[in-house]
Amino acid sequence: DAGVIQSPRHEVTEMGQEVTLRCKPISGHDYLFWYRQTMMRGLELLIYFNNNVPIDDSGMPEDRFSAKMPNASFSTLKIQPSEPRDSAVYFCASSFAGSGTNEQFFGPGTRLTVL
Amino acid sequence: TQLLEQSPQFLSIQEGENLTVYCNSSSVFSSLQWYRQEPGEGPVLLVTVVTGGEVKKLKRLTFQFGDARKDSSLHITAAQPGDTGLYLCAGNSGYALNFGKGTSLLVTP
Repeated sequence: DAGVIQSPRHEVTEMGQEVTLRCKPISGHDYLFWYRQTMMRGLELLIYFNNNVPIDDSGMPEDRFSAKMPNASFSTLKIQPSEPRDSAVYFCASSFAGSGTNEQFFGPGTRLTVL
Repeated sequence: TQLLEQSPQFLSIQEGENLTVYCNSSSVFSSLQWYRQEPGEGPVLLVTVVTGGEVKKLKRLTFQFGDARKDSSLHITAAQPGDTGLYLCAGNSGYALNFGKGTSLLVTP
């Protein structure tokens, strides 16, 4: 399996622009998680889905952030409008509840820089 | 949100030394996981501890879960440069995980 795939790997944009981050989870996994990592705050859970349904979005910073999972193999995290404080590494992770281990498999991340 | 505090935040040691890093919380967790993250990559699971007092070994790494299931430690024996990375602990909250900020370890030859 290719693992969790994220695109783009790097994104540089200007304040006010819309940013869309993409994730393809591991095939067969039924949970998908979006995280943000910064030096100051560490790895923060933004939102997670189970069987394509959002379960908990309490970590989403504000209304500028939105996430969708239209099918089992694709999810997006959108920031509109972007701000410099959104600069961070964004990770997508997936897991399979049936494994019994609750192990999360992370993608390589998208490094976002908002100027 | 259940807070996980990791210490030390940074650790720089020489090859061959032993070290212990800690993960503490005021909350009880059903299980706790340790991940290792290398620069430019996502975290990778090292181990899951479930039972209070449990000790698990992974080659030179020894993981312990506190009796009250509120804290955990990771001990590395004879550290090697390949152990360099960010060590993250994470407590289970249902299917979601709450991560600590991590201990950044640098092992120099």
